[in-house]
Amino acid sequence: DVKVTQSSRYLVKRTGEKVFLECVQDMDHENMFWYRQDPGLGLRLIYFSYDVKMKEKGDIPEGYSVSREKKERFSLILESASTNQTSMYLCASSYHLRGMNTEAFFGQGTRLTVV
Amino acid sequence: QKEVEQNSGPLSVPEGAIASLNCTYSDRGSQSFFWYRQYSGKSPELIMFIYSNGDKEDGRFTAQLNKASQYVSLLIRDSQPSDSATYLCAVNRESNTDKLIFGTGTRLQVFP
Repeated sequence: DVKVTQSSRYLVKRTGEKVFLECVQDMDHENMFWYRQDPGLGLRLIYFSYDVKMKEKGDIPEGYSVSREKKERFSLILESASTNQTSMYLCASSYHLRGMNTEAFFGQGTRLTVV
Repeated sequence: QKEVEQNSGPLSVPEGAIASLNCTYSDRGSQSFFWYRQYSGKSPELIMFIYSNGDKEDGRFTAQLNKASQYVSLLIRDSQPSDSATYLCAVNRESNTDKLIFGTGTRLQVFP
């Protein structure tokens, strides 16, 4: 069974704090994704990584950065947390198949509240 | 125009009916199309994927893809109350990337 594990289910942080969200997958997937999900806005892509140390910006990268030093781990960093970053954060991974997407497996999500 | 568009719903159907969910996308280079189901408070899980024009059936689910018209749909036959969830359409953004973009989802309610 593919497993994508996010380090925290719930997190409460203060405005201005630096926040790290960790995601680990155990299936040797090349691709990893960070999304945030907000009511009425759906899943929005923050960052995408297709290999170690490789990353691409998604639709809403402002205020976020990412790190992928090892294939199995993809970290999302909120440089200085703000209240508008209160959201559900979902990590996903998939493997690459010659130009075609394959199924993305999701972690359980981290509900982040910034106060 | 949004890259992946879905009607937010709710779509209400009686138990046993066919539920039809639709999705349009803007990038003609997209090659991979997915339907995910998300129950309230849970993570999305894959229902079906389709890569080629036409229909693909899996049990009570049928995915339909029309690349010329840039739409993909999901039919759920013999709808059950347990099918009540939000259904997310996902598309790869460009032909040479695995970047996966989601629509906002359609909420389906199946009533007994």
